[in-house]
Amino acid sequence: DTGVSQDPRHKITKRGQNVTFRCDPISEHNRLYWYRQTLGQGPEFLTYFQNEAQLEKSRLLSDRFSAERPKGSFSTLEIQRTEQGDSAMYLCASTRSGIKQDTQYFGPGTRLTVL
Amino acid sequence: AQSVTQPDIHITVSEGASLELRCNYSYGATPYLFWYVQSPGQGLQLLLKYFSGDTLVQGIKGFEAEFKRSQSSFNLRKPPVHWSDAAEYFCAVGAMDSSYKLIFGSGTRLLVRP
Repeated sequence: DTGVSQDPRHKITKRGQNVTFRCDPISEHNRLYWYRQTLGQGPEFLTYFQNEAQLEKSRLLSDRFSAERPKGSFSTLEIQRTEQGDSAMYLCASTRSGIKQDTQYFGPGTRLTVL
Repeated sequence: AQSVTQPDIHITVSEGASLELRCNYSYGATPYLFWYVQSPGQGLQLLLKYFSGDTLVQGIKGFEAEFKRSQSSFNLRKPPVHWSDAAEYFCAVGAMDSSYKLIFGSGTRLLVRP
């Protein structure tokens, strides 16, 4: 069990550029979540996957955001045409079960700065 | 809608003193409750959770929390506090729909005086 990993840990980009983040969940974890955390706030839910299916997207996830989880393993979160308001920590979490509440294990996060 | 309130933005305690961080949730049924800790620039580490059963829950690093249904609270405690406990602490409730997503409070930053 190597834990949840995220790449990159830090990303600085200019407004209008596209960025992509990757999350590798704990092996054999069925469910994967993305959260966003802005300075001084708690994480807020963005979206989640059950295996490869994306089952819910928050209203926070504008059309510029897209997430995938091909083959039900790693996941990517892409932000197109970044805006300064996208600057935040993007956290990924995974959990073993998809049929009941279970502990979510978090990765170290990707900190995005949009200049 | 479910929500979590952490009324204290900052708390400062002296090393060796006792600590209590407050958390209130809003939901009628028995909630799934969590406390996570976050060190600067890091992800979240689970301290403890409550799903059912004994309302006093023991966690890692000497932390404990007590679920009080009558007060809709799940306060975190630790006696005594060590300088290494300085961090940000988040209380969360698990959504009661099939997403099981976590709904977090805004956090409490703990500072420890030597």
